[in-house]
Amino acid sequence: QSVLTQPPSVSGAPGQRVTISCTGSSSNIGAGYDVHWYQQLPGTAPKLLMYGNTNRPSGVPDRFSGSKSGTSASLAITGLQAEDEADYYCQSYDSSLSGSNVFGTGTKVTVL
Amino acid sequence: QLQLQESGPGLVKPSETLSLTCTVSGDSISSTSYYWGWIRQPPGKGLEWIGHVYYSGNTYYNPSLKSRVTISVDTSKNQFSLKLSSVTAADTAVYYCARRLLGVVINWFDPWGQGTLVTVSS
Repeated sequence: QSVLTQPPSVSGAPGQRVTISCTGSSSNIGAGYDVHWYQQLPGTAPKLLMYGNTNRPSGVPDRFSGSKSGTSASLAITGLQAEDEADYYCQSYDSSLSGSNVFGTGTKVTVL
Repeated sequence: QLQLQESGPGLVKPSETLSLTCTVSGDSISSTSYYWGWIRQPPGKGLEWIGHVYYSGNTYYNPSLKSRVTISVDTSKNQFSLKLSSVTAADTAVYYCARRLLGVVINWFDPWGQGTLVTVSS
């Protein structure tokens, strides 16, 4: 069972802005550990989308942005495009589980 | 460019041991800056971290799988491996290998292998 909770799905029309939340606790996000985000296009492996809460790897469009506050983090997609339809996962570290990396439950983004 | 490739049987019988290997190309697995990890994804479900290994052999495992998991590294072949014992149908998943940054804070996985589906069935 994941310790990071995400909404199962979000949707938006092309050009709109959508946000995905990632809610943790005082032993992970709330303890100050960074949150990272992955995009998983259908039938492919996850790809790093955001690291260290707000940093985009080279090649990731700037319409993807991240933030973190308290025990939660968020990923925003502005100017939603059809190619953004995918599953998105957050990831952090949990100090209550020795050496543990933890993933979020995942969110399916649908472009209407 | 760094690439990771999983290999191993796609079908394992219940109660037996699942064995997979990840071959790393484009970088040395003996790098002091990275761990090498395994993550799995049951069909239609989310990601689960299994564990990771340092080139020296130090390992970190998911507590929920720790009693059944062994991750090892072969620096001479630039490979690392996963063994999961006493498998059941619940272990059916796509298994990914990935490089993980070294650190508690800098702990993201990048890049990932393409993944390999392992089905547990008699």
